[in-house]
Amino acid sequence: AQSVTQLGSHVSVSEGALVLLRCNYSSSVPPYLFWYVQYPNQGLQLLLKYTTGATLVKGINGFEAEFKKSETSFHLTKPSAHMSDAAEYFCAVSDGGYQKVTFGTGTKLQVIP
Amino acid sequence: DAGVIQSPRHEVTEMGQEVTLRCKPISGHNSLFWYRQTMMRGLELLIYFNNNVPIDDSGMPEDRFSAKMPNASFSTLKIQPSEPRDSAVYFCASSPGHLQETQYFGPGTRLLVL
Repeated sequence: AQSVTQLGSHVSVSEGALVLLRCNYSSSVPPYLFWYVQYPNQGLQLLLKYTTGATLVKGINGFEAEFKKSETSFHLTKPSAHMSDAAEYFCAVSDGGYQKVTFGTGTKLQVIP
Repeated sequence: DAGVIQSPRHEVTEMGQEVTLRCKPISGHNSLFWYRQTMMRGLELLIYFNNNVPIDDSGMPEDRFSAKMPNASFSTLKIQPSEPRDSAVYFCASSPGHLQETQYFGPGTRLLVL
């Protein structure tokens, strides 16, 4: 069975500082991995996803994530935080086929001016 | 593209009343999902459809909840009777086909049951 763990329900960074949001997954097969972002009072939208191929995935708004099979991790990073990055971020995993996507519990990112 | 459309955006009702939430997925998408989001439980998958057929409804909390997808462009989530603990934001999402593909979320329906 697939599962995903997001470490830290709240993360605070200063504007301009590195953003690092952690995600570890469990999957019995090569997984499909996603990061979604939710801005206040909105639905989730895709930031980036890993399916196959290059393990470093670039997404929108300067975010990227690296799939590390040996560590079963898919951490999300951004070199320099912007105030507009304040939102809740969800990591998700799917085993593919007819397996549903499982979402993590989310990490709320606060950006301090 | 209009994106996923949900109605109503806000619903306030009294305990015991029937509530119907509506969703129009993105045209051409074959999979549709209903989620519930609360502070306490986070984002929960209630049910998903593929080609209008319910595939997994194991997340539906109890018999008071039901969902239908009569055609490719419309789905409903019904709660009857509603209870205060049903208060949450309900999201509908659709995806082009396989479940590992990107899901596109609607803006949500914020439900308050008094």
